[in-house]
Amino acid sequence: EADIYQTPRYLVIGTGKKITLECSQTMGHDKMYWYQQDPGMELHLIHYSYGVNSTEKGDLSSESTVSRIRTEHFPLTLESARPSHTSQYLCASSGSGLHIGYTFGSGTRLTVV
Amino acid sequence: AQSVTQLGSHVSVSEGALVLLRCNYSSSVPPYLFWYVQYPNQGLQLLLKYTSAATLVKGINGFEAEFKKSETSFHLTKPSAHMSDAAEYFCAVSGASYGKLTFGQGTILTVHP
Repeated sequence: EADIYQTPRYLVIGTGKKITLECSQTMGHDKMYWYQQDPGMELHLIHYSYGVNSTEKGDLSSESTVSRIRTEHFPLTLESARPSHTSQYLCASSGSGLHIGYTFGSGTRLTVV
Repeated sequence: AQSVTQLGSHVSVSEGALVLLRCNYSSSVPPYLFWYVQYPNQGLQLLLKYTSAATLVKGINGFEAEFKKSETSFHLTKPSAHMSDAAEYFCAVSGASYGKLTFGQGTILTVHP
């Protein structure tokens, strides 16, 4: 079944640690996105990609980085986690034409202590 | 440029009552419009989308929305609220079939017994 997967679902980590949030999709979508969302708040686009080896920063400045080496994989990395990075991170992919619209993963809730 | 305004960050209804969540958009080109629902600690799930076909769009779980160009609105309705409808709802707009979505601030729907 075509879907989008995020791991881990929950992560508690100490300040200064390097972390990578995984996102993979099996729908063959070229476009993928990372959003940051604080509880009960709006979504902020932090990174997006329109294809392999293509990445762009989003509307909200973020200290994280992303890579897109394979179509199905769009990981997000924080080199040195800080408490201010505590948030929920949502990954999405999208088709075009009749298939326009995002499909979201279940999210990763990150807590930096 | 595109933007979305959701009127009312919190809406409370009684079980069985009409649900009306308001969304107004701004887009310099004919828009694609979406409603998503988010349950606690989950990603977003697509409820329905408007892609320039019928102006009245029916979605999952009994929800529907009507595109009104003259009012630049895309309000979400459901005739009879159910307890399971309690969640946060996001309206979104895209100006192209391949473009990024811009999300509204979200509306938290509470359903009282």
